[in-house]
Amino acid sequence: DAGVIQSPRHEVTEMGQEVTLRCKPISGHDYLFWYRQTMMRGLELLIYFNNNVPIDDSGMPEDRFSAKMPNASFSTLKIQPSEPRDSAVYFCASSFLGGELKKLFFGSGTQLSVL
Amino acid sequence: RKEVEQDPGPFNVPEGATVAFNCTYSNSASQSFFWYRQDCRKEPKLLMSVYSSGNEDGRFTAQLNRASQYISLLIRDSKLSDSATYLCVVSGNTGKLIFGQGTTLQVKP
Repeated sequence: DAGVIQSPRHEVTEMGQEVTLRCKPISGHDYLFWYRQTMMRGLELLIYFNNNVPIDDSGMPEDRFSAKMPNASFSTLKIQPSEPRDSAVYFCASSFLGGELKKLFFGSGTQLSVL
Repeated sequence: RKEVEQDPGPFNVPEGATVAFNCTYSNSASQSFFWYRQDCRKEPKLLMSVYSSGNEDGRFTAQLNRASQYISLLIRDSKLSDSATYLCVVSGNTGKLIFGQGTTLQVKP
């Protein structure tokens, strides 16, 4: 099992540029989450999907952020235009809502640096 | 007030010590509770779920107090390899999981 796959692992870009982060969840999982982690704010939930449908995007910081899940095996998080304060590690995670246990499987994360 | 609150630490303890972490949550409708572990520059990984009756996994014991909206994690006989950040996680019935800020543990030889 390949686990949750994120790309790229590292992204360095200049302020104002568009950034696209990609995620492939574990096959068969029906939930997908995007989190952002910084030293100051910890792990923040940005948005999550259930069966490819966005359920809660209240954590998306502002209109510069958008996320899509066109099918069960792929999701993107886009920042346009990027700003230095967007620098963080962005994690994608997937899970299967079965029974009472919801275990999250995280990807390795994308380290984003906006200069 | 944050939905899930933890003491960030760091907790510095010698090998063999017993250490306890606490976590409080604000949503009384929360249904599922977990402890995750995160090593430096790595992704979080599930350590254990937390059940109402309390549960144990080797040296780790988790407790839940719904009345006080409080979760705890006890680590006995600490090992150097236990050094990490421990994240308290709370979920409702919608599938949304909220993470605490994390508590950092450093076990010294």
